[in-house]
Amino acid sequence: DQQVKQNSPSLSVQEGRISILNCDYTNSMFDYFLWYKKYPAEGPTFLISISSIKDKNEDGRFTVFLNKSAKHLSLHIVPSQPGDSAVYFCAASPYYGGSQGNLIFGKGTKLSVKP
Amino acid sequence: KAGVTQTPRYLIKTRGQQVTLSCSPISGHRSVSWYQQTPGQGLQFLFEYFSETQRNKGNFPGRFSGRQFSNSRSEMNVSTLELGDSALYLCASNRGQSNTEAFFGQGTRLTVV
Repeated sequence: DQQVKQNSPSLSVQEGRISILNCDYTNSMFDYFLWYKKYPAEGPTFLISISSIKDKNEDGRFTVFLNKSAKHLSLHIVPSQPGDSAVYFCAASPYYGGSQGNLIFGKGTKLSVKP
Repeated sequence: KAGVTQTPRYLIKTRGQQVTLSCSPISGHRSVSWYQQTPGQGLQFLFEYFSETQRNKGNFPGRFSGRQFSNSRSEMNVSTLELGDSALYLCASNRGQSNTEAFFGQGTRLTVV
């Protein structure tokens, strides 16, 4: 049973517009969430994270929103650039106060940003 | 500051053989985790080592094992290889504290023939 779900396998956005990637989770014990970007045949690159005590975290063009009651988080990229084209993974940490050594990943969303 | 280094980058092995993969974490990071990525299953957690001890373990058979050395470098071993073990194996390191991000290496692409 998937505990972290990214229901959109792909997303296409025009350059300069906003990209919104969504992620849902089922385990209420998850307390730390991360977004990674991945190119083929490379390791995931950390983008941004959020703790369950917050509902928003911003870093440059990237903002992550967390809605605990809905068990939903989203990553906003504004403005989107062609270099953002990659697969984006949502990940959750299942241990309260634990290390992030055990991450549960979604299946990923492939973002294509068209010039 | 050097990133996470995995060796080798590519491997081809025959069914029934065993393989050892290596991971050097970021300096100062004490936790090393291993993940398997396949097209069908996505990224799945194998195990985590912290201070030379296995701290967490995913749902993989005993053929998959690992260890961590005193300098935090880690190795992962897969014995009696099966075709289904073909995957990208990723290593991630983090400081081992709460709410800290994990950084990944480039991965080792293992092909079992």
